[in-house]
Amino acid sequence: GENVEQHPSTLSVQEGDSAVIKCTYSDSASNYFPWYKQELGKRPQLIIDIRSNVGEKKDQRIAVTLNKTAKHFSLHITETQPEDSAVYFCAARNTDKLIFGTGTRLQVFP
Amino acid sequence: GAGVSQSPSNKVTEKGKDVELRCDPISGHTALYWYRQSLGQGLEFLIYFQGNSAPDKSGLPSDRFSAERTGGSVSTLTIQRTQQEDSAVYLCASSSRTSGFNEQFFGPGTRLTVL
Repeated sequence: GENVEQHPSTLSVQEGDSAVIKCTYSDSASNYFPWYKQELGKRPQLIIDIRSNVGEKKDQRIAVTLNKTAKHFSLHITETQPEDSAVYFCAARNTDKLIFGTGTRLQVFP
Repeated sequence: GAGVSQSPSNKVTEKGKDVELRCDPISGHTALYWYRQSLGQGLEFLIYFQGNSAPDKSGLPSDRFSAERTGGSVSTLTIQRTQQEDSAVYLCASSSRTSGFNEQFFGPGTRLTVL
């Protein structure tokens, strides 16, 4: 089955800097890759996603890139703000279910 | 409209007891998922329901875990003979065909503590 690995597990940045979180997946049949943000004590919420027929997608300060050949995808957050502090999960869809990475705890210091 | 709801929000039980966790998906969502999130860990897939199809149970960790979905709506996750390692937050999510079953909307979770 699908296996998703996510790095780093924790990431600390200064406000205004960029943050990059990377994920790899194992099953080349996976075709959809969402990113979820989970604030402390809250439920995960979708922030951006990308399909396998697209290489990059951007939404304001966040962007996601996908390299199908290498089977990896990344989340990029620019001009980070304290409210970006949360745990971020990547996922890959395989046979209609999402397999999640283990999460990255992002801390943005003012 | 209302989002995904789960009950109870917290459950404390003694080792060996059975527990039932409930999920009410968003009205009209035909896909429903259960995940387990242990402290500081990721989201572990447990089971997936889609319409009237047989559920995908491939993520259930043992035969003590089971789930039902009645009438294509409400779902119940049952854990029999609970063990301390079952302590976690159990999250339910639903999605709809209109989004291509892409975005999953999560409930607030049930925090289960097994003493």
